[in-house]
Amino acid sequence: QVQLQQWGAGLLKPSETLSLNCAMYGGSFSGFHWIWIRQTPGKGLEWIGEITHSGSTNYKSSLRSRVTISVDPSKNQFSLKLRSVTDADTAIYYCTRNSAADYYFSGMDVWGQGTTVTVSS
Amino acid sequence: QSVLTQPPSVSGAPGQTVTISCTGSSSNIGAAYGVNWYQQLLGTAPKLLIYGNSNRPSGVPDRLSGSKSGTSASLAITGLQAEDEADYYCQSYDSRLSGWVFGGGTKLTV
Repeated sequence: QVQLQQWGAGLLKPSETLSLNCAMYGGSFSGFHWIWIRQTPGKGLEWIGEITHSGSTNYKSSLRSRVTISVDPSKNQFSLKLRSVTDADTAIYYCTRNSAADYYFSGMDVWGQGTTVTVSS
Repeated sequence: QSVLTQPPSVSGAPGQTVTISCTGSSSNIGAAYGVNWYQQLLGTAPKLLIYGNSNRPSGVPDRLSGSKSGTSASLAITGLQAEDEADYYCQSYDSRLSGWVFGGGTKLTV
């Protein structure tokens, strides 16, 4: 079955850049939006942004100035970069996907295992 | 403050039925976007339980059902079991924010 495997640095200092990667195994990479979500005790689940396999992006407006999501279809991978992190960016980060064909009604059916990112001086 | 509003907690005895509500607005649930529900067990990633308001992915028992009316949606769990104890989140798309929004989560205690 389809699996998402994510990795990246878990401890950052303020002002550094968060960098996470997510690889898909066992399915088709096209036909989906590839998404980053984060979770904090205070703000719950928060959509960060997403990208299609052809590279079209959509970001949460409050994060747009600091976020870049990129895709490498040849490797079935996509990545998240979040610049100038602060302690408010401390969270568990998840990669997931959503069907492009039924975008508003299909749900996010496969999730990565999550990466705990801590921002601390 | 989450865009979708859920009760912080609900509880029920084994075998009973509980309902979790999710209230939105005219720019999300009320705009006819689908509502999705997720279950999150402690220390794990969310798991899709209901998509498109009332559809269950393969493997999700029919004890769980979703519904939507106007700007609100509900998740019902019948025949409560100890394994249902988890956090539950609703989700929809928001046209004003141009992105996905979630409820704050509801902790179910069995």
